Amino acid sequence: DGGITQSPKYLFRKEGQNVTLSCEQNLNHDAMYWYRQDPGQGLRLIYYSQIVNDFQKGDIAEGYSVSREKKESFPLTVTSAQKNPTAFYLCASRPGTANTEAFFGQGTRLTVV
Amino acid sequence: ELKVEQNPLFLSMQEGKNYTIYCNYSTTSDRLYWYRQDPGKSLESLFVLLSNGAVKQEGRLMASLDTKARLSTLHITAAVHDLSATYFCAVDIKTSGSRLTFGEGTQLTVNP
Repeated sequence: DGGITQSPKYLFRKEGQNVTLSCEQNLNHDAMYWYRQDPGQGLRLIYYSQIVNDFQKGDIAEGYSVSREKKESFPLTVTSAQKNPTAFYLCASRPGTANTEAFFGQGTRLTVV
Repeated sequence: ELKVEQNPLFLSMQEGKNYTIYCNYSTTSDRLYWYRQDPGKSLESLFVLLSNGAVKQEGRLMASLDTKARLSTLHITAAVHDLSATYFCAVDIKTSGSRLTFGEGTQLTVNP
């Protein structure tokens, strides 16, 4: 089945630790996205990538980093510079040509302990 | 900078009633998307609206787009409890490539 897989589903991070959230898609989509959602809030764009080896900052990129070495994969690293990382993280993808909706993974819930 | 605003942000309604959710955006665009999110879950695509005057309907939900007014509406007809969820609109604009900007979401509760 084609789709977007995020892992892990739940992740606990200690203060000062970097963690990496995985996002893999087998839909052959060019564009991939990372969003952050806080309780009762909307989605805020962290980073997005339109093609392999290229990505752009979104509205809240500070304290996060990404890579796009393969078309299928767009991992997000939450660094220790991100002071309030507890949130629900959603990865999405869509074909390179616009006019199509984005498809979302099931999300990763990150908690700082 | 593209801004997308939804209203109301919270909506409590009785079963059987009708209501409309509004989505306004700040920059010319002819591409608007509606999503649904259940508590603790991911987003599910509902509608894709790609031109001025576009109207899409699925069950008790109907979405429309007025690009001149920079406004989309999501109309709920004869609400049922199963429609309780958070609804998001999202917009992208050609000059920003594939960037997709979401509204704050409308949390809908349908009471028996």
